[in-house]
Amino acid sequence: GAVVSQHPSRVICKSGTSVKIECRSLDFQATTMFWYRQFPKQSLMLMATSNEGSKATYEQGVEKDKFLINHASLTLSTLTVTSAHPEDSSFYICSSRGLGTGDNEQFFGPGTRLTVL
Amino acid sequence: AQKVTQAQTEISVVEKEDVTLDCVYETRDTTYYLFWYKQPPSGELVFLIRRNSFDEQNEISGRYSWNFQKSTSSFNFTITASQVVDSAVYFCALSEADQAGTALIFGKGTTLSVSS
Repeated sequence: GAVVSQHPSRVICKSGTSVKIECRSLDFQATTMFWYRQFPKQSLMLMATSNEGSKATYEQGVEKDKFLINHASLTLSTLTVTSAHPEDSSFYICSSRGLGTGDNEQFFGPGTRLTVL
Repeated sequence: AQKVTQAQTEISVVEKEDVTLDCVYETRDTTYYLFWYKQPPSGELVFLIRRNSFDEQNEISGRYSWNFQKSTSSFNFTITASQVVDSAVYFCALSEADQAGTALIFGKGTTLSVSS
């Protein structure tokens, strides 16, 4: 099956700093990427949807100026958490759907665990 | 509106017991997809199954089986002869069928603990 990687897998940062998380589709072209957030012991919640070459669509309640998403190529999307605060500590997971993949097939990355001190 | 309900928050069983995880969904779409994922402590989602709304056949894969019933909007997951390695959080999810691809709506998850 298709492979999606995320980097870094784990990051600890100080409050007020920005953190960039990369999501890459390794063996297919990802026309659409989704970013989810999962707080401890909770479910995955969609943050935003990004299509290559266009602006991301954010879910209600997600600040687009705080969570910057860039999907500049068909194999890479990045999520930047700007001015991170402890409440942004969470598990961030991307998923991709791409050209040549099956009907509504989505492939998840392994996730990035962000801890903001 | 679409919604996925996993009423069981936590289930504890002893090895070799059978266990069924319930999933009830809501959607107005006639075409949709249902999924089950396993999330071990590492956090990485492990894909288990995808089923489209036109395929109501039950499926069996080893110790895993799924019962899809449109009449009750349920997509239940049974593990037969559970093992300690089955301990994880299990998520049921729903998505619309859309050419552009749509995100998954997840249930709250069921934490399964299997003891030896």
